[in-house]
Amino acid sequence: GAVVSQHPSRVICKSGTSVKIECRSLDFQATTMFWYRQFPKQSLMLMATSNEGSKATYEQGVEKDKFLINHASLTLSTLTVTSAHPEDSSFYICSARARPDNEQFFGPGTRLTVL
Amino acid sequence: GQNIDQPTEMTATEGAIVQINCTYQTSGFNGLFWYQQHAGEAPTFLSYNVLDGLEEKGRFSSFLSRSKGYSYLLLKELQMKDSASYLCAVLDSNYQLIWGAGTKLIIKP
Repeated sequence: GAVVSQHPSRVICKSGTSVKIECRSLDFQATTMFWYRQFPKQSLMLMATSNEGSKATYEQGVEKDKFLINHASLTLSTLTVTSAHPEDSSFYICSARARPDNEQFFGPGTRLTVL
Repeated sequence: GQNIDQPTEMTATEGAIVQINCTYQTSGFNGLFWYQQHAGEAPTFLSYNVLDGLEEKGRFSSFLSRSKGYSYLLLKELQMKDSASYLCAVLDSNYQLIWGAGTKLIIKP
């Protein structure tokens, strides 16, 4: 299957700082990328959907000014958690797909801990 | 509203067979996916069904009945490494993926 990388895999930061997470599709062009958040023992929660070259579509309840998403190319999307707080600590997972009817391939996830 | 139902947790014995069911009610249908997710890891793709019937892939098979809004994932010859959560997801008419809450499968020796 297709490969999606995510970096960093783990980050610990102080409250109030910003953290950037990168998501890359390594062997295919991802017209759409998705950002999910997952709290322990809970299901995936879609945060936003981004199409290359256009603004991300955020799910209800997700603050777009706090979670900045940039999908600048067909192989790269970034999520920046601005002014992170302890309640933002979670497992952030990106996924990518080439076409609307394709499966989503997931990155390995980024575990964020805000102290 | 859109809804996907699957059991919260199932237990099975190593070497046995287990069937995980998924029922869905969505606005439109463009396919159903099954993903496996081990604790602390991201989901990995298992199968995709868009037509009725059974798709077999090694020890795993997935079945779909569109008229009944029903799918199941069948795991044969269970191994301890199959202990994971299994996520059912449906692609709706807008090509949005609607996720079930997942079924945690516990394998006992």
